[in-house]
Amino acid sequence: GAGVSQSPSNKVTEKGKDVELRCDPISGHTALYWYRQSLGQGLEFLIYFQGNSAPDKSGLPSDRFSAERTGGSVSTLTIQRTQQEDSAVYLCASSFAGPGYEQYFGPGTRLTVT
Amino acid sequence: SQKIEQNSEALNIQEGKTATLTCNYTNYSPAYLQWYRQDPGRGPVFLLLIRENEKEKRKERLKVTFDTTLKQSLFHITASQPADSATYLCALAVYSGSARQLTFGSGTQLTVLP
Repeated sequence: GAGVSQSPSNKVTEKGKDVELRCDPISGHTALYWYRQSLGQGLEFLIYFQGNSAPDKSGLPSDRFSAERTGGSVSTLTIQRTQQEDSAVYLCASSFAGPGYEQYFGPGTRLTVT
Repeated sequence: SQKIEQNSEALNIQEGKTATLTCNYTNYSPAYLQWYRQDPGRGPVFLLLIRENEKEKRKERLKVTFDTTLKQSLFHITASQPADSATYLCALAVYSGSARQLTFGSGTQLTVLP
C-alpha cells in the first residue's frame, strides 16, 4: 500500500516568506507527527496529532510555527516569516495509534531559507 | 526532560563481525524503546520495538536488549554486511502527563567495511 507522502520534496524560500509543508499519512493511522532534522543531527519533535484530541504542540520552537490536521488525515505545517535557522529537513510520520507503535516516515521536505 | 545519548557518532566494523550500538537515557524509564535505520536523504525506517517489561527482542540478524536498571539499550547486528551501513537511531516513548511523543537520539553512523 501507499506510504507516507510529503510535498514538496524541496522548497527554497526567501527569508521572511511563509511556507506550507504537506503530509499525507497512511490511511487508517490515527497518529501523525512532525519532526525537524538539521544536517547531521537527530530528529527534533515538533507536534503530535492523535485522532480528534488536541495536538501536543510542546515541540514547536516558536509561534511562527503552526500545524493543522484536517479530517483526521492530511496535515499541513506552516512556518511564517521564515528565518535562515528554519532551514532543515521536515519529516512527517504516522502510526496506527500512539508512540508505542512503530512510526512510518515520509521522505521529508528539504527547506532552504536564503 | 528526557536525555538520550547514543555511542560515538561513527562506528566502523569489518564485514561478518557483530556491531553493537548503545543507547543510554536519563531520568524516567520509557514505556517503549524503538530502533530505526536512516539512510542518507531518506526518512527513518522502523526496525524493532521493545517494551519496558521485556529484556530482549530479536528479528533475523538484529537483537535489542533493554536494561531499565542501567537505563540502557543495546542494539546488535550479527554477521554484519556492507548493506547494513546506515545511521541507527534509538527513540524513547514516555507517557508522562501530556508528553506522549517519541524522543530520538542523534544516531550512530555505522559503516561495515568489506
